Amino acid sequence: AQTVTQSQPEMSVQEAETVTLSCTYDTSESDYYLFWYKQPPSRQMILVIRQEAYKQQNATENRFSVNFQKAAKSFSLKISDSQLGDAAMYFCAYRSADTGTASKLTFGTGTRLQVTL
Amino acid sequence: SQTIHQWPATLVQPVGSPLSLECTVEGTSNPNLYWYRQAAGRGLQLLFYSVGIGQISSEVPQNLSASRPQDRQFILSSKKLLLSDSGFYLCAWSRGLYQGETQYFGPGTRLLVL
Repeated sequence: AQTVTQSQPEMSVQEAETVTLSCTYDTSESDYYLFWYKQPPSRQMILVIRQEAYKQQNATENRFSVNFQKAAKSFSLKISDSQLGDAAMYFCAYRSADTGTASKLTFGTGTRLQVTL
Repeated sequence: SQTIHQWPATLVQPVGSPLSLECTVEGTSNPNLYWYRQAAGRGLQLLFYSVGIGQISSEVPQNLSASRPQDRQFILSSKKLLLSDSGFYLCAWSRGLYQGETQYFGPGTRLLVL
């Protein structure tokens, strides 16, 4: 079974600075998908960024980018120019590309990000 | 554009009472649908998923059940709630065209069982 580990329960960053959230995962599969979701105080899960394991290029979405290291099974999220609205819980998630697993997402335990002035 | 609705937003129920949470998706057809539960301070756990009307798969044996009476409607139920059923319940959908399809979440239902 796949597992996702987020070793930083809490992180803090000053507004306009850069912060990196860590995520590691364990799998025996070679093809899969990785996601970062943001959960603000409203608790709705919002997709931040997605990465396909077969793509070597790191995904980027505006101020959000990932450092995907397949061999190390690491998938960190970098937030540049942090804004107050970035304060939230961030969850890393894994999804197998195996059609037999029917789209199950496996989540980490989350990292709470605080943004200070 | 696609939207996903959940209701109620908040629910307080006594132990032993029944439960029905509803999720509907607009703007798409034949979506894959999912029910997740999030315990306080923890990540999400997949409870059920459905790839079509009447097709339900359970991930975790428990006190809950799910049904999909219509293409874009997904219902989470219980005949008798337990204290341990308290949590935040999230419904999600994906296009289901291929396994990499992103899942999009609804606003969630906060359930407190007393």
